[in-house]
Amino acid sequence: EVQLVESGGGLVQPGGSLRLSCAASGFSFSTSWMYWLRQAPGKGLEWVANINPDGGDTYYVDSVRGRFTISRDNAKNSLFLQMNGLRAEDTAVYYCVIGGGQQWGQGTLVTVSS
Amino acid sequence: DVVMTQSPLSLPVTLGQPASISCRSSQGLVASGGNTNFNWVQQRPGQSPRRLIYKVSNRDSGVPDRFSGSGSGTDFTLNISRVEAEDVGVYYCMQYTRWPHTFGQGTKLEIK
Repeated sequence: EVQLVESGGGLVQPGGSLRLSCAASGFSFSTSWMYWLRQAPGKGLEWVANINPDGGDTYYVDSVRGRFTISRDNAKNSLFLQMNGLRAEDTAVYYCVIGGGQQWGQGTLVTVSS
Repeated sequence: DVVMTQSPLSLPVTLGQPASISCRSSQGLVASGGNTNFNWVQQRPGQSPRRLIYKVSNRDSGVPDRFSGSGSGTDFTLNISRVEAEDVGVYYCMQYTRWPHTFGQGTKLEIK
């Protein structure tokens, strides 16, 4: 069974940092593109970042480029999102998603507020 | 950026009746390898999104056959042949041919 379990969300002050993790199992993680997507409260879905299977290629939406870093550890079947310089508009549920959108995690809530 | 425009944004449907959602992209979605990287995603109330249809017309495992996808170029459609109560939720179209990948605004399906 494919499983994606996100963790690391929480309440953080503006300008602060958080590191999200996603533990993957049940599929070939090391050969899969992986994504982070987010959904602000009551809003639609937004792509955040992509990473290719070996971690050598990454893509970011303009609003997070330079502040967020996507990475992975294929030996540990884990995906990460380092978020620095957080802003109120980054408040959202963050989802770990397998390439092509075939499976989504349950999400982890990030709240940026003073 | 590729803009994905869905219609309608609100869709009240009587149980057992058909429903249809349209999605139009601002640019063509055929990738260099010939695939059209276009999906439909369902989000039931209080749940994570799940993919229903991938590459325009392929149903994911476990998705009832009352759901079907069609389209090409810049115009795509999700059809539900007979709406059931469990279909209530928000439906999004998404493209992952061009970066940044983008979603439609979402269509909220409710039972009349």
